[in-house]
Amino acid sequence: SQQGEEDPQALSIQEGENATMNCSYKTSINNLQWYRQNSGRGLVHLILIRSNEREKHSGRLRVTLDTSKKSSSLLITASRAADTASYFCATNSGGSNYKLTFGKGTLLTVNP
Amino acid sequence: SQTIHQWPATLVQPVGSPLSLECTVEGTSNPNLYWYRQAAGRGLQLLFYSVGIGQISSEVPQNLSASRPQDRQFILSSKKLLLSDSGFYLCAWTKDSARNIQYFGAGTRLSVL
Repeated sequence: SQQGEEDPQALSIQEGENATMNCSYKTSINNLQWYRQNSGRGLVHLILIRSNEREKHSGRLRVTLDTSKKSSSLLITASRAADTASYFCATNSGGSNYKLTFGKGTLLTVNP
Repeated sequence: SQTIHQWPATLVQPVGSPLSLECTVEGTSNPNLYWYRQAAGRGLQLLFYSVGIGQISSEVPQNLSASRPQDRQFILSSKKLLLSDSGFYLCAWTKDSARNIQYFGAGTRLSVL
């Protein structure tokens, strides 16, 4: 079963607005990552936040992590039509566990 | 720089036919390699991963198998495809086992008819 669960499943906004996606998970983690997938393409890594970090920024991306609530959020500011894609969170438990566990994703549509 | 190649991009196969999907990574050595399947509108399901030549870990028992005949080559196979094998197959690699940031191929769209 998928550990990460994103919500909302789909989000439609206008260009220039901010988009916020949330992710919940169930077990302890070493880090949490966000990936982007354009339709019919492979996933692209966006940002990683370690379990001892609470917030991280990269360009127009802001990620927060609350390990007490086992949740994370991805904020995309000043969205553009080119940001239209599916966004997935993935948890890494670390150690000898070589796996990432992906959520079902949020489909973001940015209307011009 | 490192690149990952995955082929074919699309494949239409009849039920009961064999399958072979190939993935190769260039520009690195001894990567961890992964095969995922993605159903329409869904997240990624990890099928197999490999941390070295000949070392394959299976996550989902089914009629698929994986092999790693060379350091940077990962193959997904089936002897007889089922309708339920249809989906989008993605190969990925990482060199950083600690952070496990994965880099994905472009995917193979498999339709079993």
